[in-house]
Amino acid sequence: GAGVSQSPSNKVTEKGKDVELRCDPISGHTALYWYRQSLGQGLEFLIYFQGNSAPDKSGLPSDRFSAERTGGSVSTLTIQRTQQEDSAVYLCASSLAGGGNEQFFGPGTRLTVL
Amino acid sequence: GQQLNQSPQSMFIQEGEDVSMNCTSSSIFNTWLWYKQDPGEGPVLLIALYKAGELTSNGRLTAQFGITRKDSFLNISASIPSDVGIYFCAGLYYTGNQFYFGTGTSLTVIP
Repeated sequence: GAGVSQSPSNKVTEKGKDVELRCDPISGHTALYWYRQSLGQGLEFLIYFQGNSAPDKSGLPSDRFSAERTGGSVSTLTIQRTQQEDSAVYLCASSLAGGGNEQFFGPGTRLTVL
Repeated sequence: GQQLNQSPQSMFIQEGEDVSMNCTSSSIFNTWLWYKQDPGEGPVLLIALYKAGELTSNGRLTAQFGITRKDSFLNISASIPSDVGIYFCAGLYYTGNQFYFGTGTSLTVIP
């Protein structure tokens, strides 16, 4: 499809395990964002990639969280040694460029840490 | 992370009623966006505002960019059941490269 896709749609893991979440942005979009949405909460910014620039990692909650974007397209968000408080929906968005351009969101990955 | 103040947190209304929600910030923004999120899906953009005082409509939706640049509101007229969902505002600082999102307004429409 032409939209942002994310996989898996649901992930259940045990506390202490590592997880990888994937985002495929819209083709041609240079900016990519990751957000976390806890139950009944708003969107918490995690990390922002824009072209070949160094990513803005200011929203990552701890050093257990990391993300990379290979070839300026697909991005992977990795959470190491997962904790129960990591349970949330992880949303990815992309836009034509950064700044005030409209962000298009994927459907999210629902992560449950037991 | 930083979030905007969005109110009300939730609304329960009868079908056909009008709805109003707003977002406020202590800082000046130069762009406001309003999104709607259906259950199990990502947010979808409803309206974008780029200029202070701007009033923009999209069907039954109307949004305004506050004159002070620190607030925005969204109105929905003649609500219908498919308006159910969570509505988010998002603001961009004039020097910023990322949007900050409000905490959301959960709307329930009672047929």
